[in-house]
Amino acid sequence: QVQLQESGPGLVKPSQTLSLTCTVSGGSITTTTYSWSWIRQPAGKGLEWIGRIYTSGGTNYNPSLKSRVTISLDTSKNQFSLNLISVTAADTAMYYCARDGGYYEYWGQGTLVTVSS
Amino acid sequence: DIVMTQSPDSLAVSLGERATINCKSSQSVLYSSNNKNYLAWYQQKPGQPPKLLIYWASTRESGVPDRFSGSGSGTDFTLTISSLQAEDVAVYYCHQYYDTPMYTFGQGTKLEIK
Repeated sequence: QVQLQESGPGLVKPSQTLSLTCTVSGGSITTTTYSWSWIRQPAGKGLEWIGRIYTSGGTNYNPSLKSRVTISLDTSKNQFSLNLISVTAADTAMYYCARDGGYYEYWGQGTLVTVSS
Repeated sequence: DIVMTQSPDSLAVSLGERATINCKSSQSVLYSSNNKNYLAWYQQKPGQPPKLLIYWASTRESGVPDRFSGSGSGTDFTLTISSLQAEDVAVYYCHQYYDTPMYTFGQGTKLEIK
């Protein structure tokens, strides 16, 4: 059974960088059948896809965030990471990582990130 | 981008009754070469991540009760709960994965007990 777990600071100051890591267990992150995505959800609102990384290291990003987002892969640790620079209060949300096979069969539990001074 | 619009935004149904949630995409998510609709449904309960219910518009995920069913093709889709149970109270989202790389979700439908 594949499991994903997000980790990282729960509080980030405005203009700083949000950094999160997703650790995958129960399966290899290098399987080429899937890619790995980050999705966020502001409190009481809907789901927003942030971006994905393929096992090749190639990436896709939501155009609305593309200038601020980087997703990377660490195959030695079976992890992938999200960096979001120059954050504002609008980036406050629950952040989820998910296995991306088109549809999202496996999700992490999510981590709440608040942007505040 | 493909815009996904769900209706209604909220819904109250009596226990044991049928619940129907609609999802309309701004363009077709049917891929003609394999005749598959790239449409999924998720259930999200408070404090939990979304849970996959249906993919390919009508394929039920393993372990999902058979009272959940998905139907539709092209641009119009429906999630039906045939006999509402108390544990089905949640927000439901549709999701298109046709438009690579930019997948999009519907705005969500909140389902409550009447």
